[in-house]
Amino acid sequence: EPEVTQTPSHQVTQMGQEVILRCVPISNHLYFYWYRQILGQKVEFLVSFYNNEISEKSEIFDDQFSVERPDGSNFTLKIRSTKLEDSAMYFCASSGGRAGSRRFFGPGTRLTVL
Amino acid sequence: DAKTTQPNSMESNEEEPVHLPCNHSTISGTDYIHWYRQLPSQGPEYVIHGLTSNVNNRMASLAIAEDRKSSTLILHRATLRDAAVYYCILEYGNKLVFGAGTILRVKS
Repeated sequence: EPEVTQTPSHQVTQMGQEVILRCVPISNHLYFYWYRQILGQKVEFLVSFYNNEISEKSEIFDDQFSVERPDGSNFTLKIRSTKLEDSAMYFCASSGGRAGSRRFFGPGTRLTVL
Repeated sequence: DAKTTQPNSMESNEEEPVHLPCNHSTISGTDYIHWYRQLPSQGPEYVIHGLTSNVNNRMASLAIAEDRKSSTLILHRATLRDAAVYYCILEYGNKLVFGAGTILRVKS
């Protein structure tokens, strides 16, 4: 079965530093998503991306966050100036269609902000 | 955002069927019902989804009430590997809004 991959698996950074989390979605998928999960809490939607632009974003996804599809295969999440509360698991997902489509989730990147 | 209500936890014996209920009384006519599960330290894994009719796949079955205000995920024979958090999710717009889910424990 096709898989979404994410790198790195674990990222440790100092507060105030920029981080870029990387994802390789499934190759023929058109819709891309980022979710996060703070330890012990629910999985939270951050942003959806289609046709090189954001289609929807949550209140969490403020000006400190940005997403990009720099080439035909990667999808990235950038946090410009990390805060302690950004520490979480970040999951990338992709789907082949919009409504009613299965999402394929990656294994996640654990971000630790010190 | 459309909301779902699930039991906090359930327990099952290995090799027996499991019925995981979900209430979604505020569902609208175009909301798909998705089920995902999450094992510890892993990403969510797709289980099944549907709109109006019951659905079957190799992992599970999804029974949707006629009024669509509730649904049940059926695992036909639980194994120890099915122990996970199961999320019933209404697809709202282009996003899946996760709730707290049901922790399924499977006893050998």
